[in-house]
Amino acid sequence: KQEVTQIPAALSVPEGENLVLNCSFTDSAIYNLQWFRQDPGKGLTSLLLIQSSQREQTSGRLNASLDKSSGRSTLYIAASQPGDSATYLCAVLYNQGGKLIFGQGTELSVKP
Amino acid sequence: NAGVTQTPKFRVLKTGQSMTLLCAQDMNHEYMYWYRQDPGMGLRLIHYSVGEGTTAKGEVPDGYNVSRLKKQNFLLGLESAAPSQTSVYFCASTGQILNEQFFGPGTRLTVL
Repeated sequence: KQEVTQIPAALSVPEGENLVLNCSFTDSAIYNLQWFRQDPGKGLTSLLLIQSSQREQTSGRLNASLDKSSGRSTLYIAASQPGDSATYLCAVLYNQGGKLIFGQGTELSVKP
Repeated sequence: NAGVTQTPKFRVLKTGQSMTLLCAQDMNHEYMYWYRQDPGMGLRLIHYSVGEGTTAKGEVPDGYNVSRLKKQNFLLGLESAAPSQTSVYFCASTGQILNEQFFGPGTRLTVL
């Protein structure tokens, strides 16, 4: 069964800290992997998309890596800010045009 | 470029009533999706469409119907609403090249 797991479920850090969010998937034959951010009561905002042939993607203070052989992806956030507080979701696509399989998310709180 | 829009944003129904949720995208995307998000259950796919005039069932299709008469629109219908359909509904779309999914802001539905 294709499953996506995110650890930890919740994380609280002081402002300025660098942090890593983890995502693991059971089937390594992915098409791509996407990281989203969701603020309370809002929709999902796409942060980074990594194609299966790529190892990492960067956008500003965010860096996502992909290791298909181990079934893992990490989202690195540098110099965290209170505005980064949100739930971060990892999702895997196995087929073009197919459904995304989501993890349960990591709820991040960055304290001033 | 509005991206993915959803109407309405909020709705309260009584058991047995019907309604239609509208999703529209202006990115010329082929693929469109309807998800529901519930606490502790994550995001679950209801129905999806791989092109104009096509629809397919997702994980939790019972009690819902969909139509994709125009490429830019994807409608989700509830024929006879039940309290178990109280949820937040998200629409998403993706193009054929990158397969990056973009989400709408959501519709919060309460069925009494």
